[in-house]
Amino acid sequence: GDSVTQMEGPVTLSEEAFLTINCTYTATGYPSLFWYVQYPGEGLQLLLKATKADDKGSNKGFEATYRKETTSFHLEKGSVQVSDSAVYFCALRPTGTASKLTFGTGTRLQVTL
Amino acid sequence: DVKVTQSSRYLVKRTGEKVFLECVQDMDHENMFWYRQDPGLGLRLIYFSYDVKMKEKGDIPEGYSVSREKKERFSLILESASTNQTSMYLCASSLRGINEKLFFGSGTQLSVL
Repeated sequence: GDSVTQMEGPVTLSEEAFLTINCTYTATGYPSLFWYVQYPGEGLQLLLKATKADDKGSNKGFEATYRKETTSFHLEKGSVQVSDSAVYFCALRPTGTASKLTFGTGTRLQVTL
Repeated sequence: DVKVTQSSRYLVKRTGEKVFLECVQDMDHENMFWYRQDPGLGLRLIYFSYDVKMKEKGDIPEGYSVSREKKERFSLILESASTNQTSMYLCASSLRGINEKLFFGSGTQLSVL
């Protein structure tokens, strides 16, 4: 079945460091891909999305490119801030379904001064 | 902004009790979802609903049921709570269209003793 694999955390970075959180997926057809973020004590919220191959999603300085050849959707940010500390979830929507999403296990990011 | 409200932030119940988790959204969304979130497993879909009185099983429906009598309210029911149902439960809602973003509540941490 469809699945999402994320790198294990926690990822600990100093402020202004470069961030990469790896995400790969297994799915038939052409799924849509998403990154959601969960700040402490809050529900998840959509960070960015890409709906077809080679699309780049971006928001708040974060970017991710839908790479069909490597089945990947890695999250990147050039310079992280303490306020980016959160849990990041990669997710996919299988082809032909509505809004039902399959999530990865989440990666905790800790940014220190 | 869309608000998804879950009735309790923390809940403690005894094994065998019938448990109701309530979720209300205020933006007339057609779709509503119940996920559970466990460390190392990410989010797993329990049930979802595309319309009033309509429900579909997700990936882990065993031991759960749901009710959607009104569009804005989606209830998750544990008929006879067990210790392996101790978890964080997240409710979400979205508009009907494909790739519409999910709006999440802040979660209910349920402990079954």
